[in-house]
Amino acid sequence: GAGVSQSPSNKVTEKGKDVELRCDPISGHTALYWYRQSLGQGLEFLIYFQGNSAPDKSGLPSDRFSAERTGGSVSTLTIQRTQQEDSAVYLCASSPTRQGSPLHFGNGTRLTVT
Amino acid sequence: SQQGEEDPQALSIQEGENATMNCSYKTSINNLQWYRQNSGRGLVHLILIRSNEREKHSGRLRVTLDTSKKSSSLLITASRAVDTASYFCATDRNRDDKIIFGKGTRLHILP
Repeated sequence: GAGVSQSPSNKVTEKGKDVELRCDPISGHTALYWYRQSLGQGLEFLIYFQGNSAPDKSGLPSDRFSAERTGGSVSTLTIQRTQQEDSAVYLCASSPTRQGSPLHFGNGTRLTVT
Repeated sequence: SQQGEEDPQALSIQEGENATMNCSYKTSINNLQWYRQNSGRGLVHLILIRSNEREKHSGRLRVTLDTSKKSSSLLITASRAVDTASYFCATDRNRDDKIIFGKGTRLHILP
């Protein structure tokens, strides 16, 4: 079956522009995570959606970052007024249950802000 | 903020040797998972160990968990070139079910 799909795979944008990153999770997965990974670093938690519950936004680094998940499926991460420090790989992952299940990752979107 | 910390940060060993990576964490967990990442892209799940388990095996992988010390180790036996990758531990915290990753260990298998 299809895995987690992220688009675009690469995005180059100018400083100050807005960008939207998309994640299509595995069908039926109720949990969806966004992480950010800077070059050679670990994964930084950004936001977590679980079913119809309010998302856990505690990892979003500033109010320029927002995310939504429509119909419990596709998720979009939006970064407004991009800065050079936003350059990173943005990874999306989904899992079928609340806990005790492994995450299935997409291949990420590499964002470069020039 | 990071929940887990892996050590060492980087490890180079000869092919055929065993590789051991450690992970420490801060808060109570439901389970702990290990992931592998090649080429800085998507992560692949390797093994999950629950908080009431002490050891788990999968092929050449052996994971231990010591909840009293808040630590885990991943052992890869008889390493191969294909094991060259970054390895991350991830903890599912029982206070909020959020899965938090450590900074990873970069493993390099020398021919």
